[in-house]
Amino acid sequence: VQLVESGGGLVQPGKSLKLSCSASGFTFSSYGMHWIRQAPGKGLDWVAYISSSGGSVYADAVKGRFTLSRDTAENTLYLQLNSLKSEDTAIYYCARMMEYYFDYWGQGVMVTVSS
Amino acid sequence: DIQMTQSPSFLSAFVGDRVTINCKASQNINRYLNWYQQKLGEAPKLLIYNINSLQTGIPSRFSGSGSGTDFTLTISSLQPEDVATYFCLQHKNWWTFGGGTRLEMK
Repeated sequence: VQLVESGGGLVQPGKSLKLSCSASGFTFSSYGMHWIRQAPGKGLDWVAYISSSGGSVYADAVKGRFTLSRDTAENTLYLQLNSLKSEDTAIYYCARMMEYYFDYWGQGVMVTVSS
Repeated sequence: DIQMTQSPSFLSAFVGDRVTINCKASQNINRYLNWYQQKLGEAPKLLIYNINSLQTGIPSRFSGSGSGTDFTLTISSLQPEDVATYFCLQHKNWWTFGGGTRLEMK
């Protein structure tokens, strides 16, 4: 199992960014997937989840601003980040869902929101 | 929301020491407690799921225990490759993490 995130970078407040998570080594279409983030010097926070069938749920802090999607043909998970705030600055990890928890994680991608 | 309080936040020990890390949940989370290890620059790795089930490929010196609200990760004999940050996760009601324990070698 391998998960590789990309798409991070420096972005101004109010702008948008799209993160990708490329999956390999397992049947991507059969698993729910998550995004989790860690702000500098802070603990981990769950961000969003998308089921194998495409239904999604979000943490209150990002609801209405972030959107999850998945492309099963490309084995890729996406997180569209809109209306970014400084408090969204974090390392973003994608992770695979096993039962009700995360079993495999990517190495993460840094998102910095700053003017 | 379920809060997870992890202790200690920092730990320093000798090779061969027995090391314990604790997590306390703000309410009963039954068996829905996992432990992860994260080495610098690497992806977090699942060590223990559902309190005490060892993930495939994880050395048997790692073990988990506890019930209800109080849980412990034990490393029976610390090895140099165990230097990492460890964190717990509750997955009974959504997902919340402990604050992490940074483990270093003396």
